[in-house]
Amino acid sequence: AQSVTQPDIHITVSEGASLELRCNYSYGATPYLFWYVQSPGQGLQLLLKYFSGDTLVQGIKGFEAEFKRSQSSFNLRKPSVHWSDAAEYFCAVGERGGGNKLTFGTGTQLKVEL
Amino acid sequence: EAGVAQSPRYKIIEKRQSVAFWCNPISGHATLYWYQQILGQGPKLLIQFQNNGVVDDSQLPKDRFSAERLKGVDSTLKIQPAKLEDSAVYLCASSLGPPRPTDTQYFGPGTRLTVL
Repeated sequence: AQSVTQPDIHITVSEGASLELRCNYSYGATPYLFWYVQSPGQGLQLLLKYFSGDTLVQGIKGFEAEFKRSQSSFNLRKPSVHWSDAAEYFCAVGERGGGNKLTFGTGTQLKVEL
Repeated sequence: EAGVAQSPRYKIIEKRQSVAFWCNPISGHATLYWYQQILGQGPKLLIQFQNNGVVDDSQLPKDRFSAERLKGVDSTLKIQPAKLEDSAVYLCASSLGPPRPTDTQYFGPGTRLTVL
């Protein structure tokens, strides 16, 4: 069965600093990979997704992620964090065989210090 | 374009009571999903519909949970009777076409259920 691990429960960065959120997945084939962001009181919003091709994917709000098959990782990065980026971030993997079932990690809560 | 609507936003009930949640997906979206998000965990898919048919309900606790999407638009999720461990945020999502992993899921704000 597929699974996702986000090893960092909480991360605090200063505004303007760079950010990297870690995500490791377990899946038998090449996975579909996603990053979602959840702000308080709001639903999850898709930041970016990887299906195939270029392993560096660009998303909204200045985020990017890199798929590394050898490390089973899909880390999310941003070169300069803004205070409005404070939220919870979820990595997810999607199955290739039928349906649209996403398996989410437990999330990383990002705090931004001004 | 209006997003996914859910109601109520908050609900507090006592154990063994019943509760229902409502979801209105984005107009024209064929596929609808219900997720359960327990505090400190990621969302877990409970059930997905394509129009008014169930695609996957393998993780739905069918002894107490039920869901329907009778006209292929709105959906309701019911819990009867509720247990303490059902306290969670219930998220509804929708996507445009048939359930494909390449189709983006759009999420509603969720209903926060507290079972006392």
